[in-house]
Amino acid sequence: GQQVMQIPQYQHVQEGEDFTTYCNSSTTLSNIQWYKQRPGGHPVFLIQLVKSGEVKKQKRLTFQFGEAKKNSSLHITATQTTDVGTYFCAVDNLFFGTGTRLTVIP
Amino acid sequence: DTEVTQTPKHLVMGMTNKKSLKCEQHMGHRAMYWYKQKAKKPPELMFVYSYEKLSINESVPSRFSPECPNSSLLNLHLHALQPEDSALYLCASSQVFRGETYEQYFGPGTRLTVT
Repeated sequence: GQQVMQIPQYQHVQEGEDFTTYCNSSTTLSNIQWYKQRPGGHPVFLIQLVKSGEVKKQKRLTFQFGEAKKNSSLHITATQTTDVGTYFCAVDNLFFGTGTRLTVIP
Repeated sequence: DTEVTQTPKHLVMGMTNKKSLKCEQHMGHRAMYWYKQKAKKPPELMFVYSYEKLSINESVPSRFSPECPNSSLLNLHLHALQPEDSALYLCASSQVFRGETYEQYFGPGTRLTVT
């Protein structure tokens, strides 16, 4: 399957700070999905991006798909303790990236 | 009902045992998936069923045998597993496979320990 790398692997932020995770591929992607997995939980679908340069927002979360469709990012504004978890990107909804584990310090 | 259920929640089995994991959804989804997830790692695709037919087998060892008896049910039969097969086994479903709607709904998983 397609390999996508995510950076950073871990991120610790103070509550209220912003957070960004990046998903990078060496090949052009036809689509990308983002999932969140809380500690001890299962992945939950957040969003899908398919168009070059696409930007989608969900409240404090902003998702971008790169112009070349080789990378994507998830940005959280003013993190809250409820944002804790691991954020995964996925390709074709089958192949998951390495994930970024977010810790929010109250 | 947007729920995918999995049974059992936990399973401990010896290397010579035969056991089965069960997954069920009643959302009318026609694609169902098995993933394996080791601690602190991403879910790793094992199998995809589309309209009750096996569409993808990601070179999974034959000691794992999937079965899709109908559109709502997905089983994973386990036989002669190794300790390194211990992991969280996640089932997921989506409306269709490789359609416009990619959203997958995951079940809570079965935590498997092979002794």
